[in-house]
Amino acid sequence: NAGVTQTPKFQVLKTGQSMTLQCAQDMNHEYMSWYRQDPGMGLRLIHYSVGAGITDQGEVPNGYNVSRSTTEDFPLRLLSAAPSQTSVYFCASSPDGGLNTEAFFGQGTRLTVV
Amino acid sequence: AQSVTQLGSHVSVSEGALVLLRCNYSSSVPPYLFWYVQYPNQGLQLLLKYTSAATLVKGINGFEAEFKKSETSFHLTKPSAHMSDAAEYFCAVNQAGTALIFGKGTTLSVSS
Repeated sequence: NAGVTQTPKFQVLKTGQSMTLQCAQDMNHEYMSWYRQDPGMGLRLIHYSVGAGITDQGEVPNGYNVSRSTTEDFPLRLLSAAPSQTSVYFCASSPDGGLNTEAFFGQGTRLTVV
Repeated sequence: AQSVTQLGSHVSVSEGALVLLRCNYSSSVPPYLFWYVQYPNQGLQLLLKYTSAATLVKGINGFEAEFKKSETSFHLTKPSAHMSDAAEYFCAVNQAGTALIFGKGTTLSVSS
């Protein structure tokens, strides 16, 4: 059972470059989300999706785009990378939006923007 | 909006000592609270969750947490620390209809 799979695990970008962080889950979960983790800041919500075709912004959405064309996939796009986007990115999924429903996390993508 | 505050960004204990990691929530309605653990260079793993069925919640690896409405707290404890408990711990609240909202985390160090 693969769970939540993130690719790539590591990436170095130059300022201004674009790229897509991939996230796929095989648990048929409706809810998916993207977080960034920075030292001393915890995990901050970037974007989330409550189902295919539905996305919304979280706490720190600027500089990131998402789409959800299938239940399984939730890619995160950086259109023009900036050094401030250097971070560790985590994708998560949960079966539904129930209040007592936990999220399942991928292993993370460590992104460095130079 | 709901939020959680973790008191203490770094906690150090000796092996065998009590572990206490603090989390306070801010919510006008009964919250649904979670504790996650992150080992170095790994993703987050659920330790335990509060679902209002019981105020004392037992999780994996000997951890437990007590929900105290009067103190708006959900502190994480373990009677006896082990070297393998060294990790970062996150308290989180489920914001209905969106996603989990996390505290800033507490790094637990365990010395022999």
